[in-house]
Amino acid sequence: SQTIHQWPATLVQPVGSPLSLECTVEGTSNPNLYWYRQAAGRGLQLLFYSVGIGQISSEVPQNLSASRPQDRQFILSSKKLLLSDSGFYLCAWSPGQGAEGYTFGSGTRLTVV
Amino acid sequence: AQSVSQHNHHVILSEAASLELGCNYSYGGTVNLFWYVQYPGQHLQLLLKYFSGDPLVKGIKGFEAEFIKSKFSFNLRKPSVQWSDTAEYFCAVRAWNDMRFGAGTRLTVKP
Repeated sequence: SQTIHQWPATLVQPVGSPLSLECTVEGTSNPNLYWYRQAAGRGLQLLFYSVGIGQISSEVPQNLSASRPQDRQFILSSKKLLLSDSGFYLCAWSPGQGAEGYTFGSGTRLTVV
Repeated sequence: AQSVSQHNHHVILSEAASLELGCNYSYGGTVNLFWYVQYPGQHLQLLLKYFSGDPLVKGIKGFEAEFIKSKFSFNLRKPSVQWSDTAEYFCAVRAWNDMRFGAGTRLTVKP
């Protein structure tokens, strides 16, 4: 069966420090991968999605970037965190073909101090 | 890109009351529709989905939703809520590889 792993679960980082959040999927190949940020009262905001290795689409221009170095690995990064980057980050995957729903990871609570 | 609107930010009900959460979307093409639920401290989980066919779809835990194409709506319903239904509910609309979520509705069920 397919599983999605996301880590770390919580992270406290100082302003100006770099960020790297990792997401991996097991049990499937060529998944579509997504990074969302969840904010209270604002639902889930799509940040990036990827349909293949090295293919990244950015939805919201901001202080973050994403990379997909391997088929089942999706990384969310920042060179210098801002206070406004604090939030709950969710990784999700869906089959490459078809229109199935997404399966979400457990999320990372990022606090920038 | 499509957009999704959930009408209620916070709904408070007593147990056994009926529930209806509104969801409207804007998109001119073919979409797939979803409701997700996030129980306190847990992952987002798929509650139900609509792809095609019967516009009334049934999901887990007694939930159902009706797709009304002319109204661009996909409202979630449950005839009788339980305390354990306390959660946040998200409507989502998928077009191609792009899934957009509503802002969510927090449901509080009082015992």
